[in-house]
Amino acid sequence: GQQLNQSPQSMFIQEGEDVSMNCTSSSIFNTWLWYKQEPGEGPVLLIALYKAGELTSNGRLTAQFGITRKDSFLNISASIPSDVGIYFCAGQWGAGNMLTFGGGTRLMVKP
Amino acid sequence: EAQVTQNPRYLITVTGKKLTVTCSQNMNHEYMSWYRQDPGLGLRQIYYSMNVEVTDKGDVPEGYKVSRKEKRNFPLILESPSPNQTSLYFCASSFQGQGANGYTFGSGTRLTVV
Repeated sequence: GQQLNQSPQSMFIQEGEDVSMNCTSSSIFNTWLWYKQEPGEGPVLLIALYKAGELTSNGRLTAQFGITRKDSFLNISASIPSDVGIYFCAGQWGAGNMLTFGGGTRLMVKP
Repeated sequence: EAQVTQNPRYLITVTGKKLTVTCSQNMNHEYMSWYRQDPGLGLRQIYYSMNVEVTDKGDVPEGYKVSRKEKRNFPLILESPSPNQTSLYFCASSFQGQGANGYTFGSGTRLTVV
């Protein structure tokens, strides 16, 4: 099946720093999604990208849908302690609601 | 409040003892799905359902069963649990055709099989 390689696996940064994470695949996806999971909760959608080359922002978060449709990145600017969590990329493929998830990036922010 | 409700939140069981994890949604969603989350592997789909009485295998269906007798409920059944099914499980739902944009996830069920 489809596979997504997400990196880095974890990051430990200082509050105020910018963060960048990405996902790559050998497969093409129709939609790229970025989710955040906080401890004890399910993933919550942050950003959805629908077209190759699309760049979308949500507050301090910016994500891009790669031109080749095989990759995406998420940037977080000026990180704050509440950014802590696991961030997942996901690619939607096929005609239905099929999603493939990356392995996740665990973000830790030091105040 | 629109939500996906899973029960139980935590479960410790012994190998071979049948168990069911329930999932219920109040949004009239057609599509429901079960995932398991393991460190470094992200979320992997176990089973999904496009509508009542329509279910299909995801990427890791071995050792699991599901049923969809009603639109709101999508229970996950482990007939004979084994230690390798120790994991964090999530149920998700969406409107059919809305694509992945509409996924709502439950809060998770942490299962330990000893």
